[in-house]
Amino acid sequence: DAGITQSPRHKVTETGTPVTLRCHQTENHRYMYWYRQDPGHGLRLIHYSYGVKDTDKGEVSDGYSVSRSKTEDFLLTLESATSSQTSVYFCAIAYKDSGNTIYFGEGSWLTVV
Amino acid sequence: QKEVEQNSGPLSVPEGAIASLNCTYSDRGSQSFFWYRQYSGKSPELIMFIYSNGDKEDGRFTAQLNKASQYVSLLIRDSQPSDSATYLCAVNEGDSNYQLIWGAGTKLIIKP
Repeated sequence: DAGITQSPRHKVTETGTPVTLRCHQTENHRYMYWYRQDPGHGLRLIHYSYGVKDTDKGEVSDGYSVSRSKTEDFLLTLESATSSQTSVYFCAIAYKDSGNTIYFGEGSWLTVV
Repeated sequence: QKEVEQNSGPLSVPEGAIASLNCTYSDRGSQSFFWYRQYSGKSPELIMFIYSNGDKEDGRFTAQLNKASQYVSLLIRDSQPSDSATYLCAVNEGDSNYQLIWGAGTKLIIKP
């Protein structure tokens, strides 16, 4: 158990509405990540954070923003959800003491209708 | 563009046999190599990682790394139906220890 909690785990929302997914960790890891996973595309990095208020874009960041005001929380926001953002979203952390191995949360399933 | 290539499968293996999963990568600067297993509807979970050329064994799993050929593989001995899952290969970006490049995964089916 990597001590990662994602919420909500499942959400259905309407096109055009804002959505925020929360990732909470209990072990004070510096690096946190948001990925999305879709059939045929594998895991794609949306945004990552390397400390409080330090974030950077991944390969599929358009339409997404993130915030990290506390070490333990990394928020992913879809400002105006679109159907193309229907996906499963995984939060992850990097364990520095085990070769920067990445561990995942349980995932958040988002459906935009 | 840095890439990690895996055969999407499905790879079908009889129970008790050896399953061999392969992965090639393009970034010659990569130093860390990871295998994850993902059951349907679940998050990826780490099986093992390898840093040095050669073999690394952990129970029924063996990771093999050949940096010269830019090739990493995972062998599963005595395959069980519970090994049926998608296996993801990941390698670190050569200029970052904290960013991984992911393969799309190989679906493995173990037939009883």
